[in-house]
Amino acid sequence: DSGVTQTPKHLITATGQRVTLRCSPRSGDLSVYWYQQSLDQGLQFLIQYYNGEERAKGNILERFSAQQFPDLHSELNLSSLELGDSALYFCASSERQGVAGELFFGEGSRLTVL
Amino acid sequence: GENVEQHPSTLSVQEGDSAVIKCTYSDSASNYFPWYKQELGKRPQLIIDIRSNVGEKKDQRIAVTLNKTAKHFSLHITETQPEDSAVYFCAASIYNFNKFYFGSGTKLNVKP
Repeated sequence: DSGVTQTPKHLITATGQRVTLRCSPRSGDLSVYWYQQSLDQGLQFLIQYYNGEERAKGNILERFSAQQFPDLHSELNLSSLELGDSALYFCASSERQGVAGELFFGEGSRLTVL
Repeated sequence: GENVEQHPSTLSVQEGDSAVIKCTYSDSASNYFPWYKQELGKRPQLIIDIRSNVGEKKDQRIAVTLNKTAKHFSLHITETQPEDSAVYFCAASIYNFNKFYFGSGTKLNVKP
């Protein structure tokens, strides 16, 4: 168990819909990262938050948005869903800035868009 | 930004043989290089990492080497076992900013 909790584990929805994925980082970790992994693909970096503020942005679509709340949990919102958005979405957390450390991944949220 | 390239994309070895996966990076400021193993349907997990002040690090059957001048680092797995079969990702990170850039992954298949 990495200590990073993601919900839901599985989600099936239809095109055009909107979903929210939730992530609770390890206790004490200030950074939260979101990655998208399509079938047999690599880890595509979407966005990073540090202590409530956006720190870095990757290839995140405009239809996607995220935020990190004061209690440090994070949500990834995916809207106007398309078939190609079907993927495994990982959240990861790491220790506070200045401490090079391991990324701890959650178990992922598997999104299927029909 | 940083660009991490990883080769090969797939690697098949016989049980007991060695496996080598190579990565290159572009940003000379990168100074932390972790390797993650992802089993099918599971989350990536750290297996070994190396920092830029070290040239090599070993942990049992796994070793990582780093060549800062050439900007490349490699994962070496000796005496491979079927349970080593997984996808392996390299990553490069800049120490102070905790930004991680991943390679595209190598699917390792160890044949019994």
